[in-house]
Amino acid sequence: DGGITQSPKYLFRKEGQNVTLSCEQNLNHDAMYWYRQDPGQGLRLIYYSQIVNDFQKGDIAEGYSVSREKKESFPLTVTSAQKNPTAFYLCASSIMMSTDTQYFGPGTRLTVL
Amino acid sequence: QQQVKQSPQSLIVQKGGISIINCAYENTAFDYFPWYQQFPGKGPALLIAIRPDVSEKKEGRFTISFNKSAKQFSLHIMDSQPGDSATYFCAASYGQNFVFGPGTRLSVLP
Repeated sequence: DGGITQSPKYLFRKEGQNVTLSCEQNLNHDAMYWYRQDPGQGLRLIYYSQIVNDFQKGDIAEGYSVSREKKESFPLTVTSAQKNPTAFYLCASSIMMSTDTQYFGPGTRLTVL
Repeated sequence: QQQVKQSPQSLIVQKGGISIINCAYENTAFDYFPWYQQFPGKGPALLIAIRPDVSEKKEGRFTISFNKSAKQFSLHIMDSQPGDSATYFCAASYGQNFVFGPGTRLSVLP
């Protein structure tokens, strides 16, 4: 089955620790995205990548980092510099950055203890 | 200019009723307007989308109405069912820009 997978589904972290969220897609999409969603809120763009080895900051990139070493993978690291990291994190992909439909993964819920 | 406004924030509808969610935008460069449906704890899924060259698009019980001059578009859910209870996001995009509305939480009462 083609799609986007995110792991883990739930993640708990102690304050001061970095944590990495996984996102993998087998849709052969060039563009990938990371969004943050807070309870009752919309989606806010953290980072996006149009091609391998290239990525750009979104609206709320502070305290986050990404890499794009492979077309199918776009991991997100939530660093200790992120002041309020507890949220639902969504990864998405699209055929190309300039095409229109984004397809979303099932999300990872991060809780900082 | 990059914002998409969405209303209402929450909506309660009786089973069999019509659910209507409205969105408005400012940037006339937007050329693609999708709606996403999100169930609790899940990622959003594309529901239906429209381009500004048509005024209406219907897929089953879901219809998008688009008013280019008013820069508004809306989602109508006919014969609403309890299984439609979810959060709905409108979005607008052009080129590399993709903007989501804040979402509407729909509850359909049995």
